[in-house]
Amino acid sequence: QVQLQESGPGLVQPSETLSLTCTVSGGSISSYYWSWLRQSPGKGLEWIAYKYHTGDTNYNPSLKSRAIISLDTSTNQFSLKLNSVTAADTAVYFCASGHFVFNDWGQGTLVTVSS
Amino acid sequence: DIVLTQSPGTLSLSPGERATLSCRASQSISSAYLGWYQQRPGQAPRLLIYDASTRATGIPDRFSGSGSGTDFTLTISRLEPEDFAVYYCQQYDSSPRTFGQGTKVEIK
Repeated sequence: QVQLQESGPGLVQPSETLSLTCTVSGGSISSYYWSWLRQSPGKGLEWIAYKYHTGDTNYNPSLKSRAIISLDTSTNQFSLKLNSVTAADTAVYFCASGHFVFNDWGQGTLVTVSS
Repeated sequence: DIVLTQSPGTLSLSPGERATLSCRASQSISSAYLGWYQQRPGQAPRLLIYDASTRATGIPDRFSGSGSGTDFTLTISRLEPEDFAVYYCQQYDSSPRTFGQGTKVEIK
C-alpha cells in the first residue's frame, strides 16, 4: 500500500492550464501504474489517464487530447496538466495507483475553474 | 465506451440487514473485469472488490461480489454502521475505464 497526496492550485482561470502534482510515499513510482481521476456532481467519477515508467500511457478520449500525464522518478511524483479548461472541468481531482482497478487513492483536491 | 448502470439509486436499510447492489453493463465484460468501490462522505473511493469477486486486501468478508457478462452484484451480508456510504462499480475490460453512477446505502 502506498500513500498519495495531491497538490496544486484550487482555482484556475477559464482557458488556462490546470496543473496538479501527486507525491507518492511508501513505494517507488517505478513499481506501479499511476492514474488521475476526477469527480464532479454532474459527471460522477471519471478516469482521466494512466502512465507507467516505461512510457505506456493511455488517456480518456473525452478529454479531447487536452490532458498530459507525466512521471518524475527522481522526485517520486507524477503530474497532470489539463489545458484550455472550462467550468466543466471543475471537480475534485484524485491521483491513484493502478490502471485496471485503482488500489490506493489520494484524498483528492478540489479545483474550481472560474474567473 | 461501456456504460455501467447501477440500481437502485438509493437503498434504505437498517444495520444488520443484507444489502444487494446491482451493476449492469451496456456490453459484455470479458473475464469479469469489474471492480467495486466504497466512498464515504469527504473521502476518496476505497477498492472493495476486483475481478468481480475477489476481495481487496483488508476488506471484511461480509462484502462479496458476483456476476459475469453484463450483470454484476455486490452483496453486504450484514450492514455495519460504517457501511452506510455510496458504492460504485467500475469496468476495466476496455478503455476508457468507466464507472457507474453509484448506489447510496442509507440508514432507514
